[in-house]
Formats: sequence, structure tokens, C-alpha cells
Amino acid sequence: GAVVSQHPSRVICKSGTSVKIECRSLDFQATTMFWYRQFPKQSLMLMATSNEGSKATYEQGVEKDKFLINHASLTLSTLTVTSAHPEDSSFYICSASEGGGGEQFFGPGTRLTVL
Amino acid sequence: AQSVAQPEDQVNVAEGNPLTVKCTYSVSGNPYLFWYVQYPNRGLQFLLKYITGDNLVKGSYGFEAEFNKSQTSFHLKKPSALVSDSALYFCAVRDLEDTGRRALTFGSGTRLQVQP
Repeated sequence: GAVVSQHPSRVICKSGTSVKIECRSLDFQATTMFWYRQFPKQSLMLMATSNEGSKATYEQGVEKDKFLINHASLTLSTLTVTSAHPEDSSFYICSASEGGGGEQFFGPGTRLTVL
Repeated sequence: AQSVAQPEDQVNVAEGNPLTVKCTYSVSGNPYLFWYVQYPNRGLQFLLKYITGDNLVKGSYGFEAEFNKSQTSFHLKKPSALVSDSALYFCAVRDLEDTGRRALTFGSGTRLQVQP
């Protein structure tokens, strides 16, 4: 089956620093990748949709200058949390889809803790 | 707009008993429905999906779900629960007619606790 990886699985950083999270589709080409955020005991909230080679589409309320998304290839999308603050601490999950109507395959998630 | 409701925050069931986790949805067009399971500090694992065809969908680990168009429901079921089924379950929907939005909309999640 389709496999999506995320790296790192867990990261702790100081307030004010930037953190990059990678999402890779290992055995298929992902034309579209999605980034979700999950707070403790809550559901997944979509942050942005990224299409290979074009700018990401951000959901309302998500700061695009703070959460930089790059989808430079068909197998890799990155989310960079810039100038991280403690309130950015969360579980970030990506998913990847082969085509416009394709099923989404989820990565294992990245736990970000900002001190 | 699309939305998903999971009315129960938690479902408790004894091992060996049947379980049901409820989900209702709202879409403008035809729904593409999913169930996922999440274990602590892990990503989502796919259980099953419905797009068209038989209303009863069978998935992984003995789970199944029944699509009911008139009630706009997609409840998750299993005939005999296992302690290892204890986890967080998410229902999700995508409106097939909304070609501008391909992301899934998730319900709030239901924690399933299976007692030995």
C-alpha cells in the first residue's frame, strides 16, 4: 500500500527558532499534499493544501508567512514553522494524494514542542 | 460546505460485545466517506471508505460501516470488540461534487474503550 513518511517524528525547539517538517510519499507520486494540525484530544484541522509546483492554498486563519509550505517535487512537501512560539506546539500530520480525486494516505505525524 | 458529526466523545464496550461508533455527515453533493483510527502519538490509519456501491462496506481489522443516505449516516461497527481496538476513531467526508476542495473534513473523534 501507499506509504507516507514524516521527519522528524518529534522535535523540541526554543521559542523564536524555525522548524522544518518533511512529508514524503515513498512509493507513489503525490500531486497534492495536505497539512493538518491536531491539538490534544481534538480533531484534525486542515491548515493548507499544496500542489506540486504551485503555491499552497491556506485555510482561513492560517498565517501563510508563519507556516511556509513548499511542494517542490511529486514526493516531497515541507512545512516550516517560522519564529515558533509555545502556542505552535501541536501534532502536525501530512497526507498525500495521487490525483485530484484520489484517496489520501496519512503520515505518522510530527510532535512539535516549543519551549 | 461539508461537515461531520460524531455525537459521542467516548464509547465504552465490553470485550466480545458488538460496538458501534456513530457518524453523520452533511455535504451538498455526493459523499466520499472514510473511517480512520488513531493510536496515541501516531498518525491516522485507514480503516475503510465508501464512495459508491454496496451500502455495507467492510474494512480492516474486522470493522465495517453502513452508509445510509436517507439518514446521512455512516456508522462504524464491529461484531465483537477486542481490547486492542481501544483507540481514537475519526469519521471524515469529502464532497465529490466540490472539485475545488479535495481535503477531508474530519469529525471531532470518538474514543473507544474496550474493557476486558
